[in-house]
Amino acid sequence: EAQVTQNPRYLITVTGKKLTVTCSQNMNHEYMSWYRQDPGLGLRQIYYSMNVEVTDKGDVPEGYKVSRKEKRNFPLILESPSPNQTSLYFCASSLNGGRVSNQPQHFGDGTRLSIL
Amino acid sequence: GDSVTQMEGPVTLSEEAFLTINCTYTATGYPSLFWYVQYPGEGLQLLLKATKADDKGSNKGFEATYRKETTSFHLEKGSVQVSDSAVYFCALSGRNTPLVFGKGTRLSVIA
Repeated sequence: EAQVTQNPRYLITVTGKKLTVTCSQNMNHEYMSWYRQDPGLGLRQIYYSMNVEVTDKGDVPEGYKVSRKEKRNFPLILESPSPNQTSLYFCASSLNGGRVSNQPQHFGDGTRLSIL
Repeated sequence: GDSVTQMEGPVTLSEEAFLTINCTYTATGYPSLFWYVQYPGEGLQLLLKATKADDKGSNKGFEATYRKETTSFHLEKGSVQVSDSAVYFCALSGRNTPLVFGKGTRLSVIA
């Protein structure tokens, strides 16, 4: 089954304790992306990757890191989490590398992070 | 830059009512347009899309027509059901630019 898998689904942690949210897709997609969803703000892009070893900042990259060493995986790293990073996070992927204009994105089920 | 504006919610309708959720966009060139739906506790799913002017996307009774002259992509359904209760996102994607989302519209359908 084609899917985007995120782990963990839920995490409660404390300020400053490094964490990683994993994302894996099994569709051989070139493009992957991370979003955060906050009430009243909709979805905002954190980082995206057009292909292996290519990553770019989205609208709200501060406090986050990503890597794309393999095509299927795109982990999101919070080196020193803070309470303002409490949010619902989504990973997504789509087929296109250079041109993303007409391909839909496939989303994971989300990771709810609470930073105390 | 590119942007999407959709009507604020929440929208509450009775079962079998007609639904319209307005969406307008600002973009250079000719973007592709999408509606995504997010059911409670789940990620976003593609509902429908249109890739050029006057295209009509449709799925599960929902429709939206790409109107270049009014830069709009309004979502409609003739008769909503309780199971349509969800958050709906309008989005666009331009050439070589990532997906841009509207803020979402929450729909509640009551029996």
